[in-house]
Amino acid sequence: KAGVTQTPRYLIKTRGQQVTLSCSPISGHRSVSWYQQTPGQGLQFLFEYFSETQRNKGNFPGRFSGRQFSNSRSEMNVSTLELGDSALYLCASTRGGGYTEAFFGQGTRLTVV
Amino acid sequence: GESVGLHLPTLSVQEGDNSIINCAYSNSASDYFIWYKQESGKGPQFIIDIRSNMDKRQGQRVTVLLNKTVKHLSLQIAATQPGDSAVYFCAERRGGGADGLTFGKGTHLIIQP
Repeated sequence: KAGVTQTPRYLIKTRGQQVTLSCSPISGHRSVSWYQQTPGQGLQFLFEYFSETQRNKGNFPGRFSGRQFSNSRSEMNVSTLELGDSALYLCASTRGGGYTEAFFGQGTRLTVV
Repeated sequence: GESVGLHLPTLSVQEGDNSIINCAYSNSASDYFIWYKQESGKGPQFIIDIRSNMDKRQGQRVTVLLNKTVKHLSLQIAATQPGDSAVYFCAERRGGGADGLTFGKGTHLIIQP
């Protein structure tokens, strides 16, 4: 069974640009969550999608957005990139229930210069 | 704010010894807890989970203990091996699952030969 797949693995962008990251969940999983990981702030929740609907959102500015498609694949977008957006962006998928484990992808390493 | 934290940023143990990694949480509404292991360059890997209606859960070489009275969670790893070297995170979730996971800062487990 394939795991969570995130593309691309690495990205370098310039301040002010926008970026789109992609996540393909485990087959059969309907919930996708996104997290930002930095050395200073650790792992922080961005948002969660279930059946194409955003169910919850963390404390991030509106420049961070996402969506989920009918096949459960998800994308997140960051507009007007700032240096502080440099981070490892992780995607996790679950079946969707409250007590099921979340499986993470390898992440996308975004560097903003 | 409410968050999950870990007591030690680094823990060094001898190969073959048992390791105990601790975590404190602050929200009594949390009802689901997970331990993750993250190796360098990889996404967090699920180790074991526990629901708030349990005090203890065992896996292969790992045991999670939950003390709701003092809001404390611990991960015990038996007979620590070099492959156990990683950063360990505890995470908690509140409610029915729409919330994202709240992660602690992580403990770097170092295995001494």
